[in-house]
Amino acid sequence: ETGVTQTPRHLVMGMTNKKSLKCEQHLGHNAMYWYKQSAKKPLELMFVYNFKEQTENNSVPSRFSPECPNSSHLFLHLHTLQPEDSALYLCASSVSTDTQYFGPGTRLTVL
Amino acid sequence: SQQGEEDPQALSIQEGENATMNCSYKTSINNLQWYRQNSGRGLVHLILIRSNEREKHSGRLRVTLDTSKKSSSLLITASRAADTASYFCATDYQGAQKLVFGQGTRLTINP
Repeated sequence: ETGVTQTPRHLVMGMTNKKSLKCEQHLGHNAMYWYKQSAKKPLELMFVYNFKEQTENNSVPSRFSPECPNSSHLFLHLHTLQPEDSALYLCASSVSTDTQYFGPGTRLTVL
Repeated sequence: SQQGEEDPQALSIQEGENATMNCSYKTSINNLQWYRQNSGRGLVHLILIRSNEREKHSGRLRVTLDTSKKSSSLLITASRAADTASYFCATDYQGAQKLVFGQGTRLTINP
């Protein structure tokens, strides 16, 4: 256990659905991250939040909408996704750019 | 791209042998980190080496950093079946305020 939790662990959704992924850490970290991991592709950084402020949006389509209500919680709201968005979505937290602590991930399948 | 590159992409060895993975990167870094990922799970931090360090050890892990060649290596000694996983290097580029992950090396330890 890394101290970072993600729910749900698995999610199947249709292209017209709206769903949200949740990430939680109580490690006292100031930075939180969303990554996308697709088969045979490098880990892709999607968003970075530092002290609740978004500091990085790596050209992510608007159908992915992040929310960081406080330093311990991070959400990824999903709507009108495409099948190519199927992937493992990983959340991580850290203090500055030192060690990142990853959650177990949400395996997303878009039908 | 600032992305690091791991070499080899896949490595298969017998239990008890040593495994060496390499990582090359492109610009100046603050630190370089190695992570491990079991299939479909989150990444787990293994070791961090700073730009002013040349070698670091942690248990059966040995990491070296050559900033003149912009490369790092991860050595796992006396490998075990449980070491089977993907291994990623991540670089903290100066001024980037984020980690950039490589594509990873898939390590298989055969009993």
